Amino acid sequence: NAGVTQTPKFQVLKTGQSMTLQCAQDMNHEYMSWYRQDPGMGLRLIHYSVGAGITDQGEVPNGYNVSRSTTEDFPLRLLSAAPSQTSVYFCASRPRQGSNEKLFFGSGTQLSVL
Amino acid sequence: AQSVSQHNHHVILSEAASLELGCNYSYGGTVNLFWYVQYPGQHLQLLLKYFSGDPLVKGIKGFEAEFIKSKFSFNLRKPSVQWSDTAEYFCAVNARNNAGNMLTFGGGTRLMVKT
Repeated sequence: NAGVTQTPKFQVLKTGQSMTLQCAQDMNHEYMSWYRQDPGMGLRLIHYSVGAGITDQGEVPNGYNVSRSTTEDFPLRLLSAAPSQTSVYFCASRPRQGSNEKLFFGSGTQLSVL
Repeated sequence: AQSVSQHNHHVILSEAASLELGCNYSYGGTVNLFWYVQYPGQHLQLLLKYFSGDPLVKGIKGFEAEFIKSKFSFNLRKPSVQWSDTAEYFCAVNARNNAGNMLTFGGGTRLMVKT
């Protein structure tokens, strides 16, 4: 059982470049989300989705786009990368929208923007 | 908006010492509370959670946490730490009024356990 799979694991971008971080889960989870982790700031929610075709903004959505065309996939797009987006990005999912279920995390993508 | 504060950013303990990591949140309504752990090089895993009932909850690996509603706190404890507990610990809060869709994390506490 693969769980939550993120690709790539590492990426270096130049300022202004665009890229997509991929996230896929094979557990038929309804809820998926993207977080960024920065030292001393914990994890901050970027965007989330409660089902295919439904997305919403988290705490820090600026500079990022998402879509949810299938239950399995939830890609995160950086349209024009900035050094402030240097971070570790985690995708996480859980079965439903319910607030007492644990999140299943991917292994993360370490992104550096030069 | 909900927020979470973890007061200790770095903690260094010797093996067998007792551990208490502080977590306070700001939100006046009903919440669900979590502690997640991130071992070096690994992704986050759930340690324990509270959503109702007994305010003292027990998790994996001997960890426990106590929800004190009057203090808006959910401190994590372990009576005797081991070297393998070296990790970063995150407290997190879900406000029930948004269907739990916006889990808010604290800044994390890095624990180093010396042998």
